Amino acid sequence: DAKTTQPNSMESNEEEPVHLPCNHSTISGTDYIHWYRQLPSQGPEYVIHGLTSNVNNRMASLAIAEDRKSSTLILHRATLRDAAVYYCILRASGANSKLTFGKGITLSVRP
Amino acid sequence: GAGVSQSPRYKVAKRGQDVALRCDPISGHVSLFWYQQALGQGPEFLTYFQNEAQLDKSGLPSDRFFAERPEGSVSTLKIQRTQQEDSAVYLCASSFLSGGRGETQYFGPGTRLLVL
Repeated sequence: DAKTTQPNSMESNEEEPVHLPCNHSTISGTDYIHWYRQLPSQGPEYVIHGLTSNVNNRMASLAIAEDRKSSTLILHRATLRDAAVYYCILRASGANSKLTFGKGITLSVRP
Repeated sequence: GAGVSQSPRYKVAKRGQDVALRCDPISGHVSLFWYQQALGQGPEFLTYFQNEAQLDKSGLPSDRFFAERPEGSVSTLKIQRTQQEDSAVYLCASSFLSGGRGETQYFGPGTRLLVL
Protein backbone atom coordinates (compact mmCIF):
# COMPACT_ATOMS: atom_id res chain seq x y z
CA ASP A 1 0.00 0.00 0.00
CA ALA A 2 1.16 3.52 -0.75
CA LYS A 3 2.32 5.31 2.37
CA THR A 4 1.42 8.68 3.87
CA THR A 5 3.53 10.90 6.11
CA GLN A 6 2.12 13.43 8.54
CA PRO A 7 3.65 15.64 11.24
CA ASN A 8 3.29 14.16 14.71
CA SER A 9 1.35 17.05 16.19
CA MET A 10 -0.07 20.51 15.63
CA GLU A 11 -1.57 23.18 17.85
CA SER A 12 -4.31 25.61 16.95
CA ASN A 13 -6.35 28.34 18.59
CA GLU A 14 -10.09 28.01 18.92
CA GLU A 15 -12.11 29.61 16.11
CA GLU A 16 -9.06 29.86 13.83
CA PRO A 17 -8.56 27.82 10.64
CA VAL A 18 -6.36 24.73 10.77
CA HIS A 19 -4.41 23.23 7.89
CA LEU A 20 -3.31 19.62 8.41
CA PRO A 21 -0.79 18.46 5.78
CA CYS A 22 -0.22 14.99 4.38
CA ASN A 23 2.44 13.76 1.96
CA HIS A 24 1.81 10.75 -0.25
CA SER A 25 4.49 10.85 -2.93
CA THR A 26 3.98 7.21 -4.00
CA ILE A 27 0.23 7.53 -4.56
CA SER A 28 -1.09 5.65 -7.57
CA GLY A 29 -3.53 7.05 -10.08
CA THR A 30 -6.49 5.16 -8.69
CA ASP A 31 -5.91 5.68 -4.95
CA TYR A 32 -8.50 7.70 -3.09
CA ILE A 33 -7.35 10.05 -0.30
CA HIS A 34 -9.38 9.63 2.88
CA TRP A 35 -9.27 11.44 6.21
CA TYR A 36 -10.57 9.99 9.44
CA ARG A 37 -10.29 11.38 12.92
CA GLN A 38 -10.37 9.75 16.33
CA LEU A 39 -11.54 11.65 19.38
CA PRO A 40 -10.28 10.44 22.76
CA SER A 41 -11.77 7.09 23.80
CA GLN A 42 -13.85 6.78 20.62
CA GLY A 43 -13.62 4.87 17.38
CA PRO A 44 -12.40 6.67 14.26
CA GLU A 45 -14.93 8.70 12.31
CA TYR A 46 -14.95 9.61 8.63
CA VAL A 47 -14.14 13.22 7.79
CA ILE A 48 -13.78 13.54 4.02
CA HIS A 49 -12.32 11.90 0.93
CA GLY A 50 -11.35 12.81 -2.61
CA LEU A 51 -9.59 11.62 -5.74
CA THR A 52 -8.35 14.60 -7.75
CA SER A 53 -10.54 17.63 -7.17
CA ASN A 54 -10.84 19.65 -3.99
CA VAL A 55 -13.79 18.60 -1.84
CA ASN A 56 -15.94 20.37 0.72
CA ASN A 57 -18.42 19.02 3.25
CA ARG A 58 -19.97 20.23 6.47
CA MET A 59 -16.99 19.11 8.53
CA ALA A 60 -13.99 20.19 6.47
CA SER A 61 -12.38 20.85 3.11
CA LEU A 62 -9.81 18.72 1.33
CA ALA A 63 -7.29 20.41 -0.92
CA ILE A 64 -5.41 18.02 -3.23
CA ALA A 65 -2.22 19.08 -4.98
CA GLU A 66 -2.26 18.99 -8.76
CA ASP A 67 0.30 16.16 -8.86
CA ARG A 68 -1.63 14.38 -6.05
CA LYS A 69 1.57 13.86 -4.07
CA SER A 70 0.19 15.83 -1.13
CA SER A 71 -3.07 17.00 0.34
CA THR A 72 -4.29 19.28 3.11
CA LEU A 73 -7.27 18.89 5.40
CA ILE A 74 -8.72 22.27 6.28
CA LEU A 75 -10.89 22.89 9.33
CA HIS A 76 -12.31 26.34 8.78
CA ARG A 77 -12.94 27.27 12.42
CA ALA A 78 -11.43 24.95 14.98
CA THR A 79 -13.45 24.17 18.08
CA LEU A 80 -12.37 22.38 21.24
CA ARG A 81 -14.31 19.36 19.99
CA ASP A 82 -11.96 19.13 17.01
CA ALA A 83 -9.06 18.08 19.24
CA ALA A 84 -8.31 14.57 17.97
CA VAL A 85 -5.88 12.39 16.05
CA TYR A 86 -6.34 12.92 12.31
CA TYR A 87 -5.37 10.13 9.92
CA CYS A 88 -4.63 10.61 6.23
CA ILE A 89 -5.19 7.28 4.43
CA LEU A 90 -4.82 6.11 0.84
CA ARG A 91 -7.31 3.54 -0.34
CA ALA A 92 -6.53 1.37 -3.32
CA SER A 93 -9.02 -0.04 -5.80
CA GLY A 94 -10.67 -3.35 -5.02
CA ALA A 95 -13.64 -4.53 -3.03
CA ASN A 96 -11.87 -5.12 0.25
CA SER A 97 -10.33 -1.73 0.69
CA LYS A 98 -9.16 -1.93 4.27
CA LEU A 99 -8.00 1.24 5.98
CA THR A 100 -4.25 1.37 6.61
CA PHE A 101 -3.75 3.86 9.42
CA GLY A 102 -0.42 5.45 10.27
CA LYS A 103 0.19 7.26 13.54
CA GLY A 104 -1.77 10.30 12.40
CA ILE A 105 -1.38 13.88 13.52
CA THR A 106 -2.52 14.91 16.99
CA LEU A 107 -4.35 18.23 16.89
CA SER A 108 -4.58 20.26 20.07
CA VAL A 109 -6.94 23.25 20.23
CA ARG A 110 -6.28 26.07 22.68
CA PRO A 111 -9.28 27.94 24.06
CA GLY B 1 -30.20 5.94 13.35
CA ALA B 2 -28.27 3.33 15.32
CA GLY B 3 -24.58 3.16 14.65
CA VAL B 4 -22.14 0.31 15.12
CA SER B 5 -22.24 -1.09 18.62
CA GLN B 6 -19.71 -3.28 20.39
CA SER B 7 -19.84 -5.25 23.61
CA PRO B 8 -18.47 -5.44 26.14
CA ARG B 9 -16.90 -2.00 26.20
CA TYR B 10 -14.25 -3.17 28.65
CA LYS B 11 -12.94 -6.64 29.34
CA VAL B 12 -10.33 -7.76 31.83
CA ALA B 13 -9.04 -11.27 31.29
CA LYS B 14 -6.48 -13.41 33.03
CA ARG B 15 -3.69 -14.70 30.85
CA GLY B 16 -4.77 -17.97 29.25
CA GLN B 17 -8.49 -17.17 29.37
CA ASP B 18 -10.64 -17.18 26.22
CA VAL B 19 -12.60 -14.02 25.32
CA ALA B 20 -15.36 -13.19 22.84
CA LEU B 21 -15.97 -9.70 21.54
CA ARG B 22 -19.21 -8.81 19.81
CA CYS B 23 -19.95 -6.35 17.00
CA ASP B 24 -23.39 -5.24 15.82
CA PRO B 25 -22.93 -3.43 12.50
CA ILE B 26 -25.31 -0.91 11.02
CA SER B 27 -28.37 -2.77 9.76
CA GLY B 28 -28.06 -3.74 6.11
CA HIS B 29 -24.33 -3.13 5.84
CA VAL B 30 -22.66 -5.77 3.72
CA SER B 31 -19.05 -5.32 4.77
CA LEU B 32 -17.59 -5.69 8.24
CA PHE B 33 -14.01 -5.05 9.34
CA TRP B 34 -12.14 -5.75 12.58
CA TYR B 35 -9.13 -3.67 13.64
CA GLN B 36 -6.76 -3.84 16.61
CA GLN B 37 -5.39 -0.64 18.16
CA ALA B 38 -2.44 -0.78 20.53
CA LEU B 39 -1.87 2.12 22.90
CA GLY B 40 -0.55 5.18 21.09
CA GLN B 41 -0.79 3.57 17.65
CA GLY B 42 -3.22 3.76 14.78
CA PRO B 43 -5.67 0.89 14.25
CA GLU B 44 -4.39 -2.15 12.35
CA PHE B 45 -6.52 -4.34 10.11
CA LEU B 46 -7.36 -7.83 11.33
CA THR B 47 -10.04 -9.31 9.09
CA TYR B 48 -12.85 -8.54 6.63
CA PHE B 49 -16.27 -10.06 5.96
CA GLN B 50 -18.58 -9.56 3.04
CA ASN B 51 -21.94 -10.82 4.32
CA GLU B 52 -21.11 -14.12 6.02
CA ALA B 53 -17.99 -14.81 3.97
CA GLN B 54 -14.63 -14.07 5.54
CA LEU B 55 -12.73 -12.83 2.50
CA ASP B 56 -9.55 -11.60 4.16
CA LYS B 57 -8.00 -12.72 7.42
CA SER B 58 -4.46 -11.71 6.60
CA GLY B 59 -4.17 -9.39 9.60
CA LEU B 60 -5.02 -11.93 12.30
CA PRO B 61 -1.81 -12.13 14.36
CA SER B 62 -1.99 -15.83 15.25
CA ASP B 63 -4.22 -18.87 15.10
CA ARG B 64 -5.50 -17.93 18.56
CA PHE B 65 -7.61 -15.27 16.84
CA PHE B 66 -10.82 -16.35 15.19
CA ALA B 67 -13.70 -14.29 13.76
CA GLU B 68 -17.11 -15.27 12.47
CA ARG B 69 -20.24 -13.67 11.06
CA PRO B 70 -22.54 -16.65 10.55
CA GLU B 71 -25.71 -14.86 9.41
CA GLY B 72 -24.10 -11.89 7.73
CA SER B 73 -24.93 -9.41 10.46
CA VAL B 74 -23.51 -9.72 13.99
CA SER B 75 -19.85 -10.69 14.19
CA THR B 76 -17.79 -12.17 17.01
CA LEU B 77 -14.03 -11.95 17.42
CA LYS B 78 -12.71 -14.72 19.65
CA ILE B 79 -9.27 -14.81 21.19
CA GLN B 80 -8.18 -18.09 22.72
CA ARG B 81 -5.59 -18.43 25.47
CA THR B 82 -5.12 -14.68 25.77
CA GLN B 83 -1.63 -13.26 26.20
CA GLN B 84 -0.56 -9.91 27.61
CA GLU B 85 0.37 -8.70 24.13
CA ASP B 86 -3.29 -9.06 23.15
CA SER B 87 -4.14 -6.08 25.35
CA ALA B 88 -5.52 -3.45 22.98
CA VAL B 89 -8.69 -1.79 21.78
CA TYR B 90 -10.57 -3.91 19.26
CA LEU B 91 -12.56 -1.87 16.78
CA CYS B 92 -15.31 -3.00 14.46
CA ALA B 93 -16.37 -1.08 11.36
CA SER B 94 -19.05 -1.63 8.74
CA SER B 95 -19.73 -0.22 5.32
CA PHE B 96 -22.78 -0.32 3.10
CA LEU B 97 -21.50 -2.22 0.10
CA SER B 98 -18.31 -4.05 -0.70
CA GLY B 99 -16.02 -1.80 1.28
CA GLY B 100 -14.42 -0.31 -1.80
CA ARG B 101 -12.09 2.65 -1.97
CA GLY B 102 -14.80 5.30 -2.15
CA GLU B 103 -16.91 3.96 0.70
CA THR B 104 -17.07 5.24 4.23
CA GLN B 105 -16.39 2.88 7.10
CA TYR B 106 -18.46 3.47 10.25
CA PHE B 107 -16.71 2.51 13.45
CA GLY B 108 -17.98 1.32 16.77
CA PRO B 109 -16.61 2.63 20.07
CA GLY B 110 -14.33 -0.36 20.49
CA THR B 111 -13.75 -2.96 23.19
CA ARG B 112 -10.80 -2.28 25.46
CA LEU B 113 -9.20 -5.61 26.39
CA LEU B 114 -6.73 -5.83 29.24
CA VAL B 115 -4.97 -9.14 29.81
CA LEU B 116 -3.37 -9.53 33.22
